[in-house]
Amino acid sequence: LAKTTQPISMDSYEGQEVNITCSHNNIATNDYITWYQQFPSQGPRFIIQGYKTKVTNEVASLFIPADRKSSTLSLPRVSLSDTAVYYCLVGDGKAGTALIFGKGTTLSVSS
Amino acid sequence: GAGVSQSPRYKVTKRGQDVTLRCDPISSHATLYWYQQALGQGPEFLTYFNYEAQPDKSGLPSDRFSAERPEGSISTLTIQRTEQRDSAMYRCASSLAGGDEQYFGPGTRLTVT
Repeated sequence: LAKTTQPISMDSYEGQEVNITCSHNNIATNDYITWYQQFPSQGPRFIIQGYKTKVTNEVASLFIPADRKSSTLSLPRVSLSDTAVYYCLVGDGKAGTALIFGKGTTLSVSS
Repeated sequence: GAGVSQSPRYKVTKRGQDVTLRCDPISSHATLYWYQQALGQGPEFLTYFNYEAQPDKSGLPSDRFSAERPEGSISTLTIQRTEQRDSAMYRCASSLAGGDEQYFGPGTRLTVT
């Protein structure tokens, strides 16, 4: 399973764009990159998933360079409610994989 | 159901007792996962089911932990002879199929005294 490395914490202010980068040097050909968000006292919630280049949904964008050894989750114009832990996961999409959450990145948004 | 539910939400038990936690996944979901989450840590995989089959038990910490999903819907996680180190949040998640987006339940906070 590919190991991921992401910053332990990040701080931002309301209205700013936040980029969280995840390193996954040993990513395999069949692996997808998935990001989850977790608020205190809640279970993780799926944000976005991608394989290469760029993926965008109503919540975030995911940028994946050609070598796929890293990925960047981009949150546009964050608000206080985006304060949460963000997890980067890498796996081949089969049941039983992509299950290593790690410690995630704690994002703190201030006014 | 509308979402993943778990019961009980909180459980306090004495060391040495057995506990059983329940997970009710989204009804159309084939795959069900169990995780253990300690404070300040991400969820750690315990086991998963595809319908009633349990292909991977590799995350279960010891043989005191077992899980079932006999009819491919509701699942239970049983911890025998609980120890203080078993105290954690236990989370259940389900997905339509393996590898799909996982929907997490609210968790069961287990405290072993």
